[in-house]
Amino acid sequence: SQQGEEDPQALSIQEGENATMNCSYKTSINNLQWYRQNSGRGLVHLILIRSNEREKHSGRLRVTLDTSKKSSSLLITASRAADTASYFCATRGGGADGLTFGKGTHLIIQP
Amino acid sequence: GAVVSQHPSRVICKSGTSVKIECRSLDFQATTMFWYRQFPKQSLMLMATSNEGSKATYEQGVEKDKFLINHASLTLSTLTVTSAHPEDSSFYICSAPPGTDGYTFGSGTRLTVV
Repeated sequence: SQQGEEDPQALSIQEGENATMNCSYKTSINNLQWYRQNSGRGLVHLILIRSNEREKHSGRLRVTLDTSKKSSSLLITASRAADTASYFCATRGGGADGLTFGKGTHLIIQP
Repeated sequence: GAVVSQHPSRVICKSGTSVKIECRSLDFQATTMFWYRQFPKQSLMLMATSNEGSKATYEQGVEKDKFLINHASLTLSTLTVTSAHPEDSSFYICSAPPGTDGYTFGSGTRLTVV
């Protein structure tokens, strides 16, 4: 079953602007991960944040995690046309090994 | 880094026929592989987990007889969609257990049943 909800479901911004996507989840987690999917392709792992971490950076990416609110956000700074893709949060909790994905945010960067 | 090779990338088959999708771990051994399904403009849903040397574990609501999963070796897992129907048309993606960070995904298979 779907674990998380992302918002917004779709986001269109101008190149150079920052893009923020949010994700909420329902159960306890070991970590939360963000993935990017270009149209019709596989998923690329972007960043993983553990349940005992609150913020993590990787290049132009910044992820936050609030376990009390069961939510996470992904910030992409200085967006580029190549960032156009769908972004999914995913969680792996308890004894399960497979990932439970959120519904995703479709990001469009206008040149 | 870890690479998972998935084939075919696209397949069109006639209703009633079976289709096999392969996922290979190229530079590592995987005792487990995860299979997901994705409908257009929707998220990924975990279908089942293949386990080398034992039966696959299916998620609730996934038909075991329709989606046959076999973990033939430490580098190969296959998903066979049997007696395919148009409603089985979807994007199927495999994934290997996590390395240092996230999971490694195959490039996906677009199945169209006509």
